Amino acid sequence: QVQLVQSGAEVKKPGSSVRVSCKTSGDTFSSYTISWVRQAPGQGLEWMGGITPFFDTTNYPQKFQGRITFTTDESTNTAYMDLSGLRPEDTAVYYCARGADAFDLWGQGTVVTVSS
Amino acid sequence: SSELTQDPAVSAALGQTVRITCQGDSLRTYYVSWYQQKPGQAPVLVIYGENNRPSGIPDRFSGSRSGNTASLTITGAQAEDEADYYCHSRDSSSKLYVFGPGTTVTVL
Repeated sequence: QVQLVQSGAEVKKPGSSVRVSCKTSGDTFSSYTISWVRQAPGQGLEWMGGITPFFDTTNYPQKFQGRITFTTDESTNTAYMDLSGLRPEDTAVYYCARGADAFDLWGQGTVVTVSS
Repeated sequence: SSELTQDPAVSAALGQTVRITCQGDSLRTYYVSWYQQKPGQAPVLVIYGENNRPSGIPDRFSGSRSGNTASLTITGAQAEDEADYYCHSRDSSSKLYVFGPGTTVTVL
């Protein structure tokens, strides 16, 4: 059964960076976009962007310009999301998901807490 | 602010029909996908494209679109359908993706 398995919870200081990983199977990695979605406590879902490994293309909303980076490691079928300049309002559950127009498979979520 | 709008909450009696709507200019052009999220869990895709259900999603879930409004209908709502539901599509200007603010469904 195909799964997306994410890295564990993180606690970060304001101004620091976080890397969240998302490991999947080979055919998922090579054939799909890996998207990232976050959810702040008590809030809705927010699309953060995604990467399509086959085309090596990324996209993300303007609000994350300069702070977010998506990368992949083909040798381990792992996608990474790096977010820098962390602020308390970045505290959220971060999900990776398979797809772009529709997300048919989700990771279990990674809790990122930003606190001094 | 979200380019897609949803009613904050909807309720229905057990076994009745629940309709959740999602409005936005982009929906005249792009399909919407719908997600169900229960507390403490990752979202689950329930409808995508014209009106497609992933494997394992009960056929009481269906989707439709008219003009700038997409709808998710639960025909014969069950207690386990209580959840938050989010629509997802593209923003009309940037063409990037966006979620609606979500609708909390209560089954009475």
